[in-house]
Amino acid sequence: EPEVTQTPSHQVTQMGQEVILRCVPISNHLYFYWYRQILGQKVEFLVSFYNNEISEKSEIFDDQFSVERPDGSNFTLKIRSTKLEDSAMYFCASSDEGRAFFGQGTRLTVV
Amino acid sequence: ELKVEQNPLFLSMQEGKNYTIYCNYSTTSDRLYWYRQDPGKSLESLFVLLSNGAVKQEGRLMASLDTKARLSTLHITAAVHDLSATYFCAVDLTTSGSRLTFGEGTQLTVNP
Repeated sequence: EPEVTQTPSHQVTQMGQEVILRCVPISNHLYFYWYRQILGQKVEFLVSFYNNEISEKSEIFDDQFSVERPDGSNFTLKIRSTKLEDSAMYFCASSDEGRAFFGQGTRLTVV
Repeated sequence: ELKVEQNPLFLSMQEGKNYTIYCNYSTTSDRLYWYRQDPGKSLESLFVLLSNGAVKQEGRLMASLDTKARLSTLHITAAVHDLSATYFCAVDLTTSGSRLTFGEGTQLTVNP
């Protein structure tokens, strides 16, 4: 069964550093998303991406964040100058017109 | 702003018993999803409910949607230990693609 894959599974970074989280969505899907889940809390929407541009973003997704689809398969989330409170599980998801399928997540730890 | 509330947030039940998890949401929508999450793992799609009165069943789980009451339920029948996980409902207000607003999750523990 097709699946969304994310790398790395775990990333530790120092506060102030930049990180790039990578995702390969399901190949025939048109919509791509990033969500995050702070430990023990609910899943929060960050951004959606369609037709090579951001279609929607939440208040969490400020200038610190950016997304890119650098080629036909990858979808990346860049976090500039990471803060301690960016520590969370980041999930990539993709969908056609309907349900979203989630990747296994990248656990980001900012120290 | 859309609010999605689940209750209970924590549920401990015995194997073989039945129980229902409730998901209330504040803004009219006819697209609601249920996901399961095991500790440290991703979100597994369980059910997609796309219209008022929709009912879906898979094994010991059954989900329903009442868009007029803005309520979805996830009913567990004759629980088994393997159902222990956190269950999230998520509401989608968009008409294409999906921007999901999740509930807080219900952490279910099924005891032998």
